[in-house]
This record gives sequence, structure tokens and C-alpha cells, in this order.
Amino acid sequence: GENVEQHPSTLSVQEGDSAVIKCTYSDSASNYFPWYKQELGKRPQLIIDIRSNVGEKKDQRIAVTLNKTAKHFSLHITETQPEDSAVYFCAASLYGNNRLAFGKGNQVVVIP
Amino acid sequence: NAGVTQTPKFQVLKTGQSMTLQCAQDMNHEYMSWYRQDPGMGLRLIHYSVGAGITDQGEVPNGYNVSRSTTEDFPLRLLSAAPSQTSVYFCASSYSFGGAPYEQYFGPGTRLTVT
Repeated sequence: GENVEQHPSTLSVQEGDSAVIKCTYSDSASNYFPWYKQELGKRPQLIIDIRSNVGEKKDQRIAVTLNKTAKHFSLHITETQPEDSAVYFCAASLYGNNRLAFGKGNQVVVIP
Repeated sequence: NAGVTQTPKFQVLKTGQSMTLQCAQDMNHEYMSWYRQDPGMGLRLIHYSVGAGITDQGEVPNGYNVSRSTTEDFPLRLLSAAPSQTSVYFCASSYSFGGAPYEQYFGPGTRLTVT
């Protein structure tokens, strides 16, 4: 089955700086890559996703890039704010199959 | 819409007891999944369903049963609780369009402790 890995496990950034989280996946057939944010004690919520027919997608301060050849995708958060502090999970899935394989998560800490 | 609901929010069981975690969604989603979340382990898929009457095993299915008799409900049964099943359990639902998967909506979670 699909194996998704995330690095680094914890990321501390100064407020206003950028944060980048990278994920790698093992199944070259995977074609849907969402990112979820989970605040302490809350449920995971989708923040952005990308499909394999595009290389980059942006939504305000958040962007995701996909490199299908290298089988990795990254989350970019610009102008970080304290409310960006959370655990971020990447995941991968196949079309025709809503079964997601999640990475282990990255703790992002934004230092005011 | 209530979205995805889960009951109970908290539960303490003794080793060997059985129980059912309830999950319901009102979005008419065909896909439903159960995950467990343990520190440092991310979200691991226990069981999932692609529609009423159809279920399949995920990554960590041992010790758990599911059934899906209706589109709305997807209960998770712990057959004989073990301390290793202490975890936070999330139910999620999603849909697809033209085969393309879309957002999974998560319930609020159930925190289970087995002593």
C-alpha cells in the first residue's frame, strides 16, 4: 500500500517567516494529495489539496507544490502567524478510491 | 447540516469489555472511514466503506469490526478491548466526482482509554 513520509517532525519559525513541510510518497499511481491542519484537541481539517495534473496551487498564504517525478509534495506557508501553530498532515490517495494514507504529521510552532 | 457526528466523546473501558463507537453523517457521502490517532503515529486507517453494505479493512483492522447498513451510519465495534486500543478515534466521510476523491470531513473524535 501507499506509504507517506513527512519531514521534519517539528518546525519552529519566527512570526512572519515562511514554513515549508515536505512529504514523499511511494506509489507512483497516487494522484490526489491533500493537506490537513489539526489544532490541539480539534479534528483535522482540510486546508489545501492538489491533483496530479497540476504542479502548484495557491490559496492566500498557503501553497502546495507537487513533483511527480521525485514523488514528493510540499506545503508552503508564508508570513506565518501564531494561529498557524498546529500539526499538519499530508496524505495521498488514488482516483476511484477515497482511501487516504496519511503521514505522521509535522508540529509547526510560530514564535511571536 | 450537522456534518459528521460521533458519540461518545470520552469513554473508559476495562480490558476485555466490548463497545460500539457511533458515527453518523448527514451529507449523503458514499465514503466513510475510521482512523485512530496515537502520538507520533499520525492517522491510521482502521476500516473504510465505499457505500452501504460494502466495507474493507484498512491498515490496522485487528480487534475492530464495522458494518454499514445505511449511507448515514458507520459504527465501529471493539470486540474485546485491550490497553493497546487506547487512542483517539476519528470518523470521516467524503465523496467523489467522476472518480476523483474530494475532502474528507472529520467528526470531533472519541477519546478512548482502556485500563
